[in-house]
Amino acid sequence: GDSVTQMEGPVTLSEEAFLTINCTYTATGYPSLFWYVQYPGEGLQLLLKATKADDKGSNKGFEATYRKETTSFHLEKGSVQVSDSAVYFCALSESGYAGGTSYGKLTFGQGTILTVHP
Amino acid sequence: DGGITQSPKYLFRKEGQNVTLSCEQNLNHDAMYWYRQDPGQGLRLIYYSQIVNDFQKGDIAEGYSVSREKKESFPLTVTSAQKNPTAFYLCASSRGPDTGELFFGEGSRLTVL
Repeated sequence: GDSVTQMEGPVTLSEEAFLTINCTYTATGYPSLFWYVQYPGEGLQLLLKATKADDKGSNKGFEATYRKETTSFHLEKGSVQVSDSAVYFCALSESGYAGGTSYGKLTFGQGTILTVHP
Repeated sequence: DGGITQSPKYLFRKEGQNVTLSCEQNLNHDAMYWYRQDPGQGLRLIYYSQIVNDFQKGDIAEGYSVSREKKESFPLTVTSAQKNPTAFYLCASSRGPDTGELFFGEGSRLTVL
């Protein structure tokens, strides 16, 4: 089945450092890819997405490029802030048909805890 | 403001008791989902529903039950058959089943004493 693997954390950085969180996936088809962020005590929020190969998703200074040849979707930010401290989840969306009805669901990676110090 | 409301935020249960977690959305979304979050394991899909009066099992449905009698509501019951129910439960919705873009509630933390 489909799966998502994220780099192990936690990741600890100083403010203004460069961030990379690696994400690789396994999928049989052509999934859409997502990064979600979870701030302490909250649910998840969509950070960015890419729906086809070579697409770049970007939001709030974060970027990720859908690389089909390496099955990767690494998250990057040039200069992190203390407010970026959170858990980051990579995810893929598969779609298909069951019982005559289309369906879609997200498969998540295990999450990477990011802590940014002043 | 539109969004997803989960309640209660914290819940304690004795072993052998069933408990129901509430999830309500006013986004007019068709699809709704329940995920379980455990430390270091990411999110795992319990059940999902694409339309009223219909739902499908996810990857870890054993010991859980759901209903979808109204578009806005998708309650989850954690039954006594769930062997390890202590976890953080997240409800989500999406405009349709194929978008992959989910909107999440703030979660409910269940602790079994």
